Amino acid sequence: AQSVTQLGSHVSVSEGALVLLRCNYSSSVPPYLFWYVQYPNQGLQLLLKYTTGATLVKGINGFEAEFKKSETSFHLTKPSAHMSDAAEYFCAVSDRGYSGNTPLVFGKGTRLSVIA
Amino acid sequence: NAGVTQTPKFQVLKTGQSMTLQCAQDMNHEYMSWYRQDPGMGLRLIHYSVGAGITDQGEVPNGYNVSRSTTEDFPLRLLSAAPSQTSVYFCASSYSKGRGNIQYFGAGTRLSVL
Repeated sequence: AQSVTQLGSHVSVSEGALVLLRCNYSSSVPPYLFWYVQYPNQGLQLLLKYTTGATLVKGINGFEAEFKKSETSFHLTKPSAHMSDAAEYFCAVSDRGYSGNTPLVFGKGTRLSVIA
Repeated sequence: NAGVTQTPKFQVLKTGQSMTLQCAQDMNHEYMSWYRQDPGMGLRLIHYSVGAGITDQGEVPNGYNVSRSTTEDFPLRLLSAAPSQTSVYFCASSYSKGRGNIQYFGAGTRLSVL
């Protein structure tokens, strides 16, 4: 069974500082990995995804994540935090779905606060 | 292109009442799913469907019923609402194979059961 662990339910950074949100996954088959962002009172928006190929993936709003198979990790980073980055971030995993796509399994989320 | 549309946005029910949360998508996606979001719990899968006429249970199916008669619609039914079903509900859709399994989410339905 797949699972996702997000380390830290709340992360606080200063504006302009590095953002690092941690995600570790468990999967018995090669995974698809995702980061979604949720702004207050809104739905989920895809930030970036890893499916295959290059292990460093770039997403929207300057975020990127690196797939490290040996560490079963997919940490999300951004070099310089902006006030508008304050939101909740969810890491998710699914099977590659050779016979069809499978449901996403989500982590519990990390709330990012950005301090001026 | 509306994407995934959920109605209503807000709903208050009394214990024991029934209701249907609507979800419609216009992207011709085969795959649709329902999640509930609770504080500190992330999103948990309730039910999903890989195509019209095919549904399956997720992690937390009890108290919920689904059917999929068309590709576009995937309603979620609460037969007898309980306070434990107070939550935010999200519907999502994607292609059933490949395309990186990118799922598109609706804006959510906030449900309170008194």
